[in-house]
Amino acid sequence: DAKTTQPNSMESNEEEPVHLPCNHSTISGTDYIHWYRQLPSQGPEYVIHGLTSNVNNRMASLAIAEDRKSSTLILHRATLRDAAVYYCILRAFAGGTSYGKLTFGQGTILTVHP
Amino acid sequence: SQTIHQWPATLVQPVGSPLSLECTVEGTSNPNLYWYRQAAGRGLQLLFYSVGIGQISSEVPQNLSASRPQDRQFILSSKKLLLSDSGFYLCAWSRDRGGRETQYFGPGTRLLVL
Repeated sequence: DAKTTQPNSMESNEEEPVHLPCNHSTISGTDYIHWYRQLPSQGPEYVIHGLTSNVNNRMASLAIAEDRKSSTLILHRATLRDAAVYYCILRAFAGGTSYGKLTFGQGTILTVHP
Repeated sequence: SQTIHQWPATLVQPVGSPLSLECTVEGTSNPNLYWYRQAAGRGLQLLFYSVGIGQISSEVPQNLSASRPQDRQFILSSKKLLLSDSGFYLCAWSRDRGGRETQYFGPGTRLLVL
């Protein structure tokens, strides 16, 4: 899977929007962009994924650049419970037969201030 | 809905002792199953994955082994633990393959080898 680059840490205030960036300049045309987060002392949790178009779900929004070389995870109103490590991961589409090795980098540590 | 269980939640074992960690999934059939390990302050490392009963693939050579005796049961074992086996062990399941695949993680087992 192609490599991603994220800032080591970011800070936000409660109830403000948070934009978490991810660079993936070597992304291939069939790589999906996935975001997971890991709360303290818990296993990772799936957040959202997309291929080309922006995506929204109950947890967050994913904005994908037109050239797909970067993406941004958007938390519309941060809460204290959103404090976690956020991982941006690329998953290759291999005809639907590849196993699911998720390559986790260091991620972005998000701190939310009350 | 699907649920993934892991036990025990925490474990302290002496060096050289055996290990058995269990993971079970409810609410789905024929899931892909994964074992990951997370060392302190580091990202997740895939250890084993399984696409069916009795089918185990290893990602890294080590003194650990995995088995899948039933469709929704995945066991991680060791005959003799090493200090370097300490870490946070996470089991995950998924249904899909390829780029769209989403993995769902269990609560994890925190292992300390002394």
